[in-house]
Formats: sequence, C-alpha cells, structure tokens
Amino acid sequence: GEDVEQSLFLSVREGDSSVINCTYTDSSSTYLYWYKQEPGAGLQLLTYIFSNMDMKQDQRLTVLLNKKDKHLSLRIADTQTGDSAIYFCAETPKGGGYQKVTFGTGTKLQVIP
Amino acid sequence: GAVVSQHPSWVICKSGTSVKIECRSLDFQATTMFWYRQFPKQSLMLMATSNEGSKATYEQGVEKDKFLINHASLTLSTLTVTSAHPEDSSFYICSARWDGKNIQYFGAGTRLSVL
Repeated sequence: GEDVEQSLFLSVREGDSSVINCTYTDSSSTYLYWYKQEPGAGLQLLTYIFSNMDMKQDQRLTVLLNKKDKHLSLRIADTQTGDSAIYFCAETPKGGGYQKVTFGTGTKLQVIP
Repeated sequence: GAVVSQHPSWVICKSGTSVKIECRSLDFQATTMFWYRQFPKQSLMLMATSNEGSKATYEQGVEKDKFLINHASLTLSTLTVTSAHPEDSSFYICSARWDGKNIQYFGAGTRLSVL
C-alpha cells in the first residue's frame, strides 16, 4: 500500500523541542518530504531527504530517516508560536512513478506560549 | 526562487456556473503540475497530473469532464470546475514540479464556495 501515517495532534510549550513522527509503507520511495500548512494557506516545503540519507539538519529542523522501520521524523528545536501549523510528511512511491507525492494525514502542532 | 502563484485565492460562485483557477510557476519551468483537493481537516487528495502539451491524467473517481485541465505552457496550468455545485466547494491547491528535480512547490490554494 501507499499509506503514510502520522499522529493527528501534538502540543508543546514554547522553547521546547517538537518531534513529529511519520510512518510510510513504500520502501522504494526516493524522496521524503516535510511540508507545513498554516490555516487557509497552501503547503510550504520545509525540507526533504533522499532515501540514501539517515539524517539532514537545516537550522532548527532535523530530519531522521529509518529505512528499516520506514520511519521518518521531524524535530523542531526551540519551538516558537509561529511554528503552530499542520505538518505533512510525504513520499514519492514507486507506484506513482516516483513523481506523484503521497501525503500523510497531517499533524497539527500547537505551541503553547 | 521556486514560487508558485495560484489565482484566485477565493471565489464564490452560483450553482451551475464555471470557475477557472490558474496555477503559474513564476521562476522555473514545470513540465508537470498537479491539482489537489483538500477537505476541511483532511489531507490532500490528488485529482490529476497536468502535463504540458498533452492531456491530463486523472485519478480514479475524478470526473475529467467536470474538472477540465489545460497545461498550455511550461509555466501555466488551469483547472476549470464546470457547472459547479455546492458539493464542489472545497480548497483546491496546485503544485508545480521543478523540471530536473523531484520537488513539488505549492501554490497558496483557492477556496471555492458554490452557493
């Protein structure tokens, strides 16, 4: 199958770290992505990782990929109120010709001041 | 770089009318663009893949005569919702795939309300 699963909700205090988890099913996916969606807006690409990488860090964002367990995570350090949004992980499965992107269900991150 | 412009951002129309939504890649070429539909508090559902110079590829269950897609240039794809009905009310989002990269960049979305 091509289901990408995420927990629906995460609440953290401002200044703490947030970790959003994702499980995907297609081990042949070449790219894995994290997108951010603010209310009423489109999706903003936060970061992506190639399937041959284990980790990628970009300022406050750290992506960890465990191919064996098909697990992807996004860590946001020093979470700010502006980070409150819905976060989608996504993959490019073989079934879509590696072009179509399959999105997860989205995790709503709430940052408490 | 990698900006995708979607227009209009919000449209209200009467039942039975048609609505056109534009998706433009402003600073890169996109042979392939995608159209998604998003229901409240749900993930994105791929409707169709738009290919420049050829017919769009629709996902199962999406009516191609209802949702007309035209990808006339490397920077523009349009989605026309024909004879819109209240059940077509939704948030429509386009994305453009940067040629040479497997990265999709998204527009800001169009909220369609059909009365």
